[in-house]
Parts: sequence; C-alpha cells; structure tokens
Amino acid sequence: EAQVTQNPRYLITVTGKKLTVTCSQNMNHEYMSWYRQDPGLGLRQIYYSMNVEVTDKGDVPEGYKVSRKEKRNFPLILESPSPNQTSLYFCASSLGGALGQPQHFGDGTRLSIL
Amino acid sequence: AQSVTQLDSQVPVFEEAPVELRCNYSSSVSVYLFWYVQYPNQGLQLLLKYLSGSTLVKGINGFEAEFNKSQTSFHLRKPSVHISDTAEYFCAATLSGGGNKLTFGTGTQLKVEL
Repeated sequence: EAQVTQNPRYLITVTGKKLTVTCSQNMNHEYMSWYRQDPGLGLRQIYYSMNVEVTDKGDVPEGYKVSRKEKRNFPLILESPSPNQTSLYFCASSLGGALGQPQHFGDGTRLSIL
Repeated sequence: AQSVTQLDSQVPVFEEAPVELRCNYSSSVSVYLFWYVQYPNQGLQLLLKYLSGSTLVKGINGFEAEFNKSQTSFHLRKPSVHISDTAEYFCAATLSGGGNKLTFGTGTQLKVEL
C-alpha cells in the first residue's frame, strides 16, 4: 500500500530536549515536504526536499532542521524545541517535476512542547 | 506572491442540502489548484485537482469544483451532502513551473447536521 508514515503520532516533551520526527514514503517520490498546521493558519511549509541531498527552506523554517540522506526518508529535527513549536505536523511526498503533482500526506504528528 | 483565501472558516449545512466552499487565489501566473479534505485525526486526502483543460473538475465522493480564471476562484461544490462529509477542507495552489510548492488556504470546517 502506498503511504507516508510518520512517527511518533503523538509526543509531549519539554523545552530544549532535542527530538526527531521521522517520515518515510514507499512510493519512490522525489519531492518531500514538512508542514505545520495551526488553527486559523492552515498548513505552512517548513522545509522541502527536491531529491536526495537537496533541501530548502519553506515559509516557516526557524527552529527546525531536516536531512535527506535517502530518497524514502525525510526526518524533521527540533534541536531545542520551544513552546511555540507546539503544533500538528505533516509530512508529504510527491513525484518530482513541474506538472502540479498532488502530494500524499502522512497522518500527522501532534507535538506538545511544555 | 501567491496566496490562497478561504473566506468561510465554518460552514454549517443540513444533510442532503447542497454546499459550496469558496476559494480564491491570487497569482500573476498560471496555477494548479487542489482541494484536500481532512477527517478528524487523519492526514489530508486529495479530493480533486485542476491542471488545465475543462474548467469543471470532478473529484471523489461526489464533489466537483469550477475553475474561474476571470474571478480567480476555484469553489468546491456538492449537490447533496452526507453526515460523513463533515471534515475540514483545504484549498491549495501551486504555480505552473514552480515545482511542487503548495500554498494552502486557512481551511473551511464543514459541519453537516441532521
């Protein structure tokens, strides 16, 4: 089954404790992206990757890091989480190219930073 | 800069009534347009997309949308809603030639009542 898998689904942690949210896709997609969803703001892009070893900032990259060492994986790293990063996070993937490819989303990771 | 506006944050409607969820975009270049649905505690699923061609696009679950270039709109419609359509709906856009970057609207919560 084609899917985007995120882990963990839920996490409560404290300010400053480094954490990683994993994302894996099994569709051989070139493009991967991280979004955060906040009430009244919709989804905002954090980082994206066009392919292995190619990453770039989205609209709200501050406080986050990513890496793309393998095509299927695109982890999101919060090195020193703060309460304003409490949010619902989604990973997405799609085929590369410029043809308006739809993105496939994971089920989300709800992070609470105390 | 490209932006997507969903004017209605909530739309209540009775079961079997028709519904229209509004979406407007601003862009000086051609865009690809999408509607996604998010059921509680789930990721986003693609409802339909407009890339080119016919301005009336049919999607899953009986939804359709009409691309109107002169009004820069892409409103989502369903002639008769069901309780199971209760969800949050997001309009999104990506620029032609701009790769895969999606810009989302702030979402519309559709609540179907008996």
